[in-house]
Amino acid sequence: DIQVTQSPSFLSASVGDRVTITCRTSQAISIYLNWYQQKPGKAPNLLIYSGSSLQSGVPSRFSGSGSGTDFTLTISSLQPEDFATYYCQQSYIDSPFTFGGGTKVEIK
Amino acid sequence: EVQLVESGGRLVQPGGSLRLSCAASGFTFSAYSMHWVRQAPGKGLEYVSAISSNGGNTYYANSLKGRFTISRDNSKNTLYLQLNNLRTEDMAVYYCARGGGVRWLATDYFDYWGQGTLVTVSS
Repeated sequence: DIQVTQSPSFLSASVGDRVTITCRTSQAISIYLNWYQQKPGKAPNLLIYSGSSLQSGVPSRFSGSGSGTDFTLTISSLQPEDFATYYCQQSYIDSPFTFGGGTKVEIK
Repeated sequence: EVQLVESGGRLVQPGGSLRLSCAASGFTFSAYSMHWVRQAPGKGLEYVSAISSNGGNTYYANSLKGRFTISRDNSKNTLYLQLNNLRTEDMAVYYCARGGGVRWLATDYFDYWGQGTLVTVSS
């Protein structure tokens, strides 16, 4: 199975900060890495798919980049509603759908 | 509006069985692959299973093969997950999700999710 390592697991930031979360996969997966946001007690919400494609309705302050084994989710200017837990997920053909361990973004 | 509504979660004893349902509306159910993802209390997301749009293909996470069975009834716009021989480590919120990609399994992503149904495994 493809392993997905997400870092950091916890992040403390202020409103307006630029925030970066990374995911590394145990083998190359081309661009097939997705990002989700989850708020307490709610279902996850798709933010980015296929590495860098912004899901419809998601604010443009969210962006994704990367290919191969290294990927990044960036929030350009953190807003109060962005405090949540973020997960990456790989969807490569060999063993799809492994999730990263999550990054909890909290208010500094 | 796309809606996915899970049901069927409850308290069950270890070794017991349960069938979860996910009722879909607001889209052409028979055109999309569907998935189950679970989340143990206070833990991260864990992938469970997928089924193709016509039900002809299924996929399971390696750790769950043999105990869980995914199925769908396109005439009823409903997705199912049969859980057998339940263990305490199966206790989680189970989410159904729609596959947003165009290919079976590869490159897929989950563009709509239900609110989840809680399965509690305890004696």
